[in-house]
Amino acid sequence: KAGVTQTPRYLIKTRGQQVTLSCSPISGHRSVSWYQQTPGQGLQFLFEYFSETQRNKGNFPGRFSGRQFSNSRSEMNVSTLELGDSALYLCASSTEGYTEAFFGQGTRLTVV
Amino acid sequence: GQNIDQPTEMTATEGAIVQINCTYQTSGFNGLFWYQQHAGEAPTFLSYNVLDGLEEKGRFSSFLSRSKGYSYLLLKELQMKDSASYLCAVSGNQGGKLIFGQGTELSVKP
Repeated sequence: KAGVTQTPRYLIKTRGQQVTLSCSPISGHRSVSWYQQTPGQGLQFLFEYFSETQRNKGNFPGRFSGRQFSNSRSEMNVSTLELGDSALYLCASSTEGYTEAFFGQGTRLTVV
Repeated sequence: GQNIDQPTEMTATEGAIVQINCTYQTSGFNGLFWYQQHAGEAPTFLSYNVLDGLEEKGRFSSFLSRSKGYSYLLLKELQMKDSASYLCAVSGNQGGKLIFGQGTELSVKP
């Protein structure tokens, strides 16, 4: 059974640009959650998608958005990048009962 | 508010036992997760507790007391490869949203 796949693994972007990250969950998992991890703030919840609908949202500005497709793959977009957006972005794949949550390898975004 | 506390750092000796504590205050409770994260890598799922009591899985065990808002992760027969950050996370009443503690950096020394 394949795990959670995130692409790309590494990205370097310039301030003001926008970026799209992708996450393919474990087969059969319909929930995909996104997290931002930084040394100072730890892991912080961005949003969750379930069956193509945003179910929950964290306290991040509107520059952070996402979507989910019918095959449960999810994308996260960050527009007008700022230096402070440099972080490891992780997605987690869950079953409907949320009794397990598995993370992908993450995308390390560096904004210069 | 929602708060999860765990010690910042711990040090233990190879072959020993270590207990990492986690206390939480959250609005709603649907389960508590423990993850292991090595530097530069993604968190790896270790355990999930929703009922009070001890769940044992090989060298790792996790305990939960919902009435006390308390959990611990017990690591036995420590190995050097167990040096990592251990994250406690609570699932509240918002579906897939996990609230994470800051993590406990465990150093295992020979």
